[in-house]
Amino acid sequence: QVQLVESGGGVVQPGRSLRLSCAGSGFTFSGHGMHWVRQAPGKGLEWVALIWYDGSNQYYADSVKGRFTISRDNSKNTLYLQMNSLRAEDTAVYYCARLSGNIGSDYWGQGTLVIVSS
Amino acid sequence: EIVLTQSPATLSLSPGERATLSCRASQSVSNYLAWYQQKPGQAPRLLIYDASNRATGIPARFSGSGSGTDFTLTISSLEPEDFAVYYCQQRSNWPPYMYTFGQGTKLEIK
Repeated sequence: QVQLVESGGGVVQPGRSLRLSCAGSGFTFSGHGMHWVRQAPGKGLEWVALIWYDGSNQYYADSVKGRFTISRDNSKNTLYLQMNSLRAEDTAVYYCARLSGNIGSDYWGQGTLVIVSS
Repeated sequence: EIVLTQSPATLSLSPGERATLSCRASQSVSNYLAWYQQKPGQAPRLLIYDASNRATGIPARFSGSGSGTDFTLTISSLEPEDFAVYYCQQRSNWPPYMYTFGQGTKLEIK
């Protein structure tokens, strides 16, 4: 069965960096675009970034552009999110999600919590 | 940047009633629109993609309609498990692709 498992969350000070990982299994990882989506405590969903199935294109929300980098290693079936210059407003549960078709994420991980605090 | 506005913010209904949720885009997104359901402590669940196609395993009481800027999610007869928060998500027509979400509609038991 399809599984997405995030890791790498934790508490980090403002201005520091953190890298999240998302391990995929049960499907052809290299055949799907992948998203990162976040949700601040008690708030709605916010799309963060997308990477194409082959890594050739990446797209970012304006709120993270220039600070976050999405990447993937298809040989390891793993998606990454490198987060630099972290701010308090980046505090959220970060989900990875598989893109299906043009719009629609049909599988999601359980999320990993990132807390940016001094 | 395309903004999605969902209405109402909260919808209070009883089991068995019909629910109609709206999502309006600030400019046309063609049919690049999805709907999700999220329950507390859980990841979102895809309900509808490409505006009107039910995702795998989604009951027939869920339906989506619309194109361009105005979209609707309809739940024909509410079951107890349908009370949750619902989000719409769009993809811009042209690169750079952006996949913004609406702010959500909370469907609560009356």
